[in-house]
Amino acid sequence: GQNIDQPTEMTATEGAIVQINCTYQTSGFNGLFWYQQHAGEAPTFLSYNVLDGLEEKGRFSSFLSRSKGYSYLLLKELQMKDSASYLCAVMDSNYQLIWGAGTKLIIKP
Amino acid sequence: SAVISQKPSRDICQRGTSLTIQCQVDSQVTMMFWYRQQPGQSLTLIATANQGSEATYESGFVIDKFPISRPNLTFSTLTVSNMSPEDSSIYLCSVGGRSRGRTNTEAFFGQGTRLTVV
Repeated sequence: GQNIDQPTEMTATEGAIVQINCTYQTSGFNGLFWYQQHAGEAPTFLSYNVLDGLEEKGRFSSFLSRSKGYSYLLLKELQMKDSASYLCAVMDSNYQLIWGAGTKLIIKP
Repeated sequence: SAVISQKPSRDICQRGTSLTIQCQVDSQVTMMFWYRQQPGQSLTLIATANQGSEATYESGFVIDKFPISRPNLTFSTLTVSNMSPEDSSIYLCSVGGRSRGRTNTEAFFGQGTRLTVV
């Protein structure tokens, strides 16, 4: 079966750095996405990785290792507004998105 | 990018009734997707709405319970029929995220419909 694993919840301090991990087992791979979802709102796109390595976009970076079935989202200089759920999603061989359950990130002052 | 207008944003419904959720996209798209997201859980694909043909349902979802309309390339509806408390969830429509042959197919979402069945 297809499976996306990420931690349920993480806590970090304002101004610090946090890394949210995602491991996956899917039938084929056509890219990995990270989305941010604030409570009561729809998910919004953060990043996309299809090749191994690190993609940096401002305070957010995303890393992918296809051989390990592993990705992480790195958030730097954390702000209170970064408190949200972060969803990892993999596009499988049928070009269908398989979603993780999301990691709830709590930022403390 | 795509902008999706979804309504209603929330509703409280009586058991046994039905609710129709609407999604309007600001551009023409071939496929629209309907998801359900229960608290603390991942997005679960209900069905893919194709213009001009029957919707394609995922395992565990049936047309009688979740009838879908797709009258044109910018609009779709999902009806949650004969509701029970177990149907209480957030329902999301989406475009993108699936396009054979493309390397970056970001998914865009409507605002979501928070449904509570009492």
